[in-house]
Amino acid sequence: IAGITQAPTSQILAAGRRMTLRCTQDMRHNAMYWYRQDLGLGLRLIHYSNTAGTTGKGEVPDGYSVSRANTDDFPLTLASAVPSQTSVYFCASSERAGAYNEQFFGPGTRLTVL
Amino acid sequence: GQNIDQPTEMTATEGAIVQINCTYQTSGFNGLFWYQQHAGEAPTFLSYNVLDGLEEKGRFSSFLSRSKGYSYLLLKELQMKDSASYLCAAKDSNYQLIWGAGTKLIIKP
Repeated sequence: IAGITQAPTSQILAAGRRMTLRCTQDMRHNAMYWYRQDLGLGLRLIHYSNTAGTTGKGEVPDGYSVSRANTDDFPLTLASAVPSQTSVYFCASSERAGAYNEQFFGPGTRLTVL
Repeated sequence: GQNIDQPTEMTATEGAIVQINCTYQTSGFNGLFWYQQHAGEAPTFLSYNVLDGLEEKGRFSSFLSRSKGYSYLLLKELQMKDSASYLCAAKDSNYQLIWGAGTKLIIKP
């Protein structure tokens, strides 16, 4: 593994189903993030984690949950998917959560909720 | 509220120069980032400014004016591979990035 991986690459999901998007990084970064990207809108932060064992809510957290049991993994769970959660989801990481810390992005998961 | 504004789309000619502007309004400020995103791919880091002035990195330069809440990305000697979206993002007082919707740059031969 080099960098950040996400799984699955794409998924079609029936409304009401539970879904977990996986994210793993091998850079030993402390901070990790989940964004969604929708056409015409900027990336919007869903949840973040500044260090293993801690998580925080971003701009659009409703309907999503995260956990950070260790440094490398940061899964995002949709408890009961709705069509408005159709989006491209990006996981990102940075060495720390401070001012100058560029974020590195995974390849994304394209999710369609029907 | 927090807001980032940048043009939706720009067109330029191969070999030319293009300037992509960005204005920002955030609660607190901890730097301005530019990212490049090719269609269907992840964003990749281009530049970071926290002090006023110009930062040059090869064909790409980025400028910041904190007093005006303004930044621009300058791309010189445009190549076809520069066709992409360019994302402006400002880091707020909580060290979270606030993102613009991106500027789609179309390069014509």
